[in-house]
Amino acid sequence: EAGVAQSPRYKIIEKRQSVAFWCNPISGHATLYWYQQILGQGPKLLIQFQNNGVVDDSQLPKDRFSAERLKGVDSTLKIQPAKLEDSAVYLCASSLDSGGAGSYTFGSGTRLTVV
Amino acid sequence: GENVEQHPSTLSVQEGDSAVIKCTYSDSASNYFPWYKQELGKRPQLIIDIRSNVGEKKDQRIAVTLNKTAKHFSLHITETQPEDSAVYFCAAAGFQKLVFGTGTRLLVSP
Repeated sequence: EAGVAQSPRYKIIEKRQSVAFWCNPISGHATLYWYQQILGQGPKLLIQFQNNGVVDDSQLPKDRFSAERLKGVDSTLKIQPAKLEDSAVYLCASSLDSGGAGSYTFGSGTRLTVV
Repeated sequence: GENVEQHPSTLSVQEGDSAVIKCTYSDSASNYFPWYKQELGKRPQLIIDIRSNVGEKKDQRIAVTLNKTAKHFSLHITETQPEDSAVYFCAAAGFQKLVFGTGTRLLVSP
């Protein structure tokens, strides 16, 4: 079974620039998550999709972050404009269902550095 | 919402010793409790999980216990080896949301 694919692996941008990350979940996984992991901290959920609908985006800074999951498969996360504090690893994860009954599989992440 | 606390933040043990990491959660509706191991620069990897209808689960040198009444769960690693050195995260899931603890850096010295 192919894992969760993410790209790019690394990205360095200047503050106030824009950046986009891509995620392709495991085939058949209805639920997709974007997490932000700042160095030395646990992953923090930014947004959760169930198919192509948003289930939870309560911790997404909506003034600068946006995400979409068109067609209920792959997803993109965008930051515009970026701030220094956005430097983190952005992890995408997927699960077969969203009821807590299945395990979550993480992608390798995108390491973003904002300078 | 759910809040997960994890202790200790760092743990140093000698090879062969046991290591215990403890977590507490706040939402009694949480029903799934995974543990992840994250090595430097890599993704979190699931090492063991437990559901709310089970009190204990073991997989070779790793075990997890769950006390629903007290809302806490623990990871036990026996006969630790240097390759167990990593950051370990507990998490709690319920109503569609997986919330992570703050992590424990485990260092196993030869």
